[in-house]
Amino acid sequence: KAGVTQTPRYLIKTRGQQVTLSCSPISGHRSVSWYQQTPGQGLQFLFEYFSETQRNKGNFPGRFSGRQFSNSRSEMNVSTLELGDSALYLCASSPGLAGGPSQETQYFGPGTRLLVL
Amino acid sequence: DQQVKQNSPSLSVQEGRISILNCDYTNSMFDYFLWYKKYPAEGPTFLISISSIKDKNEDGRFTVFLNKSAKHLSLHIVPSQPGDSAVYFCAASAHRAGSYQLTFGKGTKLSVIP
Repeated sequence: KAGVTQTPRYLIKTRGQQVTLSCSPISGHRSVSWYQQTPGQGLQFLFEYFSETQRNKGNFPGRFSGRQFSNSRSEMNVSTLELGDSALYLCASSPGLAGGPSQETQYFGPGTRLLVL
Repeated sequence: DQQVKQNSPSLSVQEGRISILNCDYTNSMFDYFLWYKKYPAEGPTFLISISSIKDKNEDGRFTVFLNKSAKHLSLHIVPSQPGDSAVYFCAASAHRAGSYQLTFGKGTKLSVIP
């Protein structure tokens, strides 16, 4: 099976712009989670989508939003970019069947590195 | 508040010796724990996991120990190899709103010296 793919891999934007990142999950996986990783920080949870619905949300401002399509592909959008939004954005997918935590291991994509100037 | 803590930002170990990476958590609702390994310019890769009903899980050179009363887990790598040099993230899982949400530590950078 192909792994999780994310596009683009690298992105440079300026303050005030908006950006859209894309994630294609592993085939058959219906849950997609997004994380932000900044230097010195762990992975901070942004939100999770399942069946085109946001199921969980982390503590990020409303400038961060996402959506999921019927084929489970997901996008996240950041509006009015700030310098502090420079980070590695990671997407992870899991089956989403809630059969138990051992069956819901999240598998990560390579990430999109966003630089805001 | 940081619910999952990895207090050692870095660790250096000689090749062939044991690497021990530690992780502490505060939330009693966590019932499943995972370790991920991350190389630069790549996403985290799942390494090993353990359920809260167990105290040990082994997979080849990797063993995870869980001390539930102390809210502490550790990852042992033996013998350590240069290819193990990476950042290791500890993650804890809690069931929330129909899914298993992960909370990550800040990571420990392991350097295995040949």
